[in-house]
Amino acid sequence: GAVVSQHPSWVICKSGTSVKIECRSLDFQATTMFWYRQFPKQSLMLMATSNEGSKATYEQGVEKDKFLINHASLTLSTLTVTSAHPEDSSFYICSAKRGFLSYNEQFFGPGTRLTVL
Amino acid sequence: SQQGEEDPQALSIQEGENATMNCSYKTSINNLQWYRQNSGRGLVHLILIRSNEREKHSGRLRVTLDTSKKSSSLLITASRAADTASYFCATEETSGSRLTFGEGTQLTVNP
Repeated sequence: GAVVSQHPSWVICKSGTSVKIECRSLDFQATTMFWYRQFPKQSLMLMATSNEGSKATYEQGVEKDKFLINHASLTLSTLTVTSAHPEDSSFYICSAKRGFLSYNEQFFGPGTRLTVL
Repeated sequence: SQQGEEDPQALSIQEGENATMNCSYKTSINNLQWYRQNSGRGLVHLILIRSNEREKHSGRLRVTLDTSKKSSSLLITASRAADTASYFCATEETSGSRLTFGEGTQLTVNP
């Protein structure tokens, strides 16, 4: 099966610092990767869609200067939360899509829990 | 924005009983997917049903899709305590490959 990893699995940081989260597709090339955010007891909210080698497409209301996404290769995408604040504390989940067919499922990473003090 | 609405929001049943969760959506879709999420963990893909399919089975799971009513249901038969989790439906819209998740159903199966 297709495996997606995230690193770190959890991180605690001070307010004002930046945090980078990595998302890797381990055994397949991901044409598209997605970043989601999930607050406690809520559903996943799509933050942005990234394609390798091009700029990410952000959802309405998501600040692109605060949540920097870099999709440097077909197996790696990174999300950097810049100048993090307590309200950014959340569970961040990435997913990767294999191929260009619309019926290909997305494979989700295990998530990264960010706590900003 | 979340286009998926799920009901019930929470469901508590006894082991061995069947659990049914429903999902409604608003736009045209390519497919609808169901995921499970254990508390504080990532998502596990359960089943994908395409827009031209009406019913699909996978083990103890049965999914139906009614595109005229823009709704889907997930049935888990002979539930087990290990089925306790949150279940989300997600739709892939015809406009692109992004998934839109429903609000989720918290299922508790009591031993």
